[in-house]
Amino acid sequence: DAGVTQSPTHLIKTRGQQVTLRCSPKSGHDTVSWYQQALGQGPQFIFQYYEEEERQRGNFPDRFSGHQFPNYSSELNVNALLLGDSALYLCASSLLSLQFNEQFFGPGTRLTVL
Amino acid sequence: ILNVEQSPQSLHVQEGDSTNFTCSFPSSNFYALHWYRWETAKSPEALFVMTLNGDEKKKGRISATLNTKEGYSYLYIKGSQPEDSATYLCAFKAGNMLTFGGGTRLMVKP
Repeated sequence: DAGVTQSPTHLIKTRGQQVTLRCSPKSGHDTVSWYQQALGQGPQFIFQYYEEEERQRGNFPDRFSGHQFPNYSSELNVNALLLGDSALYLCASSLLSLQFNEQFFGPGTRLTVL
Repeated sequence: ILNVEQSPQSLHVQEGDSTNFTCSFPSSNFYALHWYRWETAKSPEALFVMTLNGDEKKKGRISATLNTKEGYSYLYIKGSQPEDSATYLCAFKAGNMLTFGGGTRLMVKP
């Protein structure tokens, strides 16, 4: 079992560009959540996808959007990048039917916006 | 906005020392508290899911307690080893999301 995988591991973009990050969930999981971790802070919830729909969203602007595919993998898209979007982006997968919905994390994608 | 705080922010101990850190969270509408251990360049690894007031959980030399009435959880490490060096994160579960504290960075010197 490969666990949660994310690609790419690192990415450098310039302000105003768009970026797509990818996540493959742990085998058997059906739910994907995305988090942003800025330097020196804990991860912040962006949104969660289940059955290809966004279930809940954190306090992030519409520039952040996502998608979940029929195989449960997911993408995070960020448009019109700002310097402040530089962060580690973590993907976590879980199985919705489990009572406490324990989330398993990938290693993250480090995004640098210049 | 939920407020989850961890203290201290960082901690340096000698090998063999026992240590503990704190996570404080809202005491109302409690559902679950998660503890994660995060080593540099790796994925955060789940340690415990705490759900009931008075819960105590243990995994090897690491244990955790939960007080939902006063809104805190303690994580203890007995006889710290260099391989325990990591950031320890707590996360309060509300709805479908986890709200994380800022983490406690533990450095264990040989």
